[in-house]
Amino acid sequence: EAQVTQNPRYLITVTGKKLTVTCSQNMNHEYMSWYRQDPGLGLRQIYYSMNVEVTDKGDVPEGYKVSRKEKRNFPLILESPSPNQTSLYFCASRANSYEQYFGPGTRLTVT
Amino acid sequence: KQEVTQIPAALSVPEGENLVLNCSFTDSAIYNLQWFRQDPGKGLTSLLLIQSSQREQTSGRLNASLDKSSGRSTLYIAASQPGDSATYLCAVSAGAGSYQLTFGKGTKLSVIP
Repeated sequence: EAQVTQNPRYLITVTGKKLTVTCSQNMNHEYMSWYRQDPGLGLRQIYYSMNVEVTDKGDVPEGYKVSRKEKRNFPLILESPSPNQTSLYFCASRANSYEQYFGPGTRLTVT
Repeated sequence: KQEVTQIPAALSVPEGENLVLNCSFTDSAIYNLQWFRQDPGKGLTSLLLIQSSQREQTSGRLNASLDKSSGRSTLYIAASQPGDSATYLCAVSAGAGSYQLTFGKGTKLSVIP
């Protein structure tokens, strides 16, 4: 089954404790991206990757890092999480047709 | 900067009604527009993708139209069902080489049995 998977689905952590949210897709898509979704603000893009070892900033990249060492994986790294990074995070990949496929989301709470 | 607006923010209809959801965008130079559905606590599911050269796309009871010149798209849902209750989001892609999607904030639809 074609899908985008994210782990963990739920995470509660404390300020400053480094964390990684993993994302994997099995559709051989070149393009992947990360979004955060906040009430009243909608979905905003954090980072995207056009292919292996090629990444770029989206609209709200501050406080986040990404890497793309393999085509299928695109982890999101928060080196020193803060409470304002409490949010619902989505990973997505894009087909050549430009149709986007989203993961199930990761709900992060930073206390 | 592209802005995408969806009105209304919430809509409640009785089962069986036909309904229209609206999406408007400020910059008409889009490459495509995509409609998504989001269920509570879940990810986004792609419903329809309209390329800028197309006027509409259909899938089952769903029909999406695109008027690029006026910066508008509509999602028509025929014979609504309680299972259609969800938040519907539209998103536009700026260009063939663009890697960014700009999303609207969504319309929350409730279909009452």
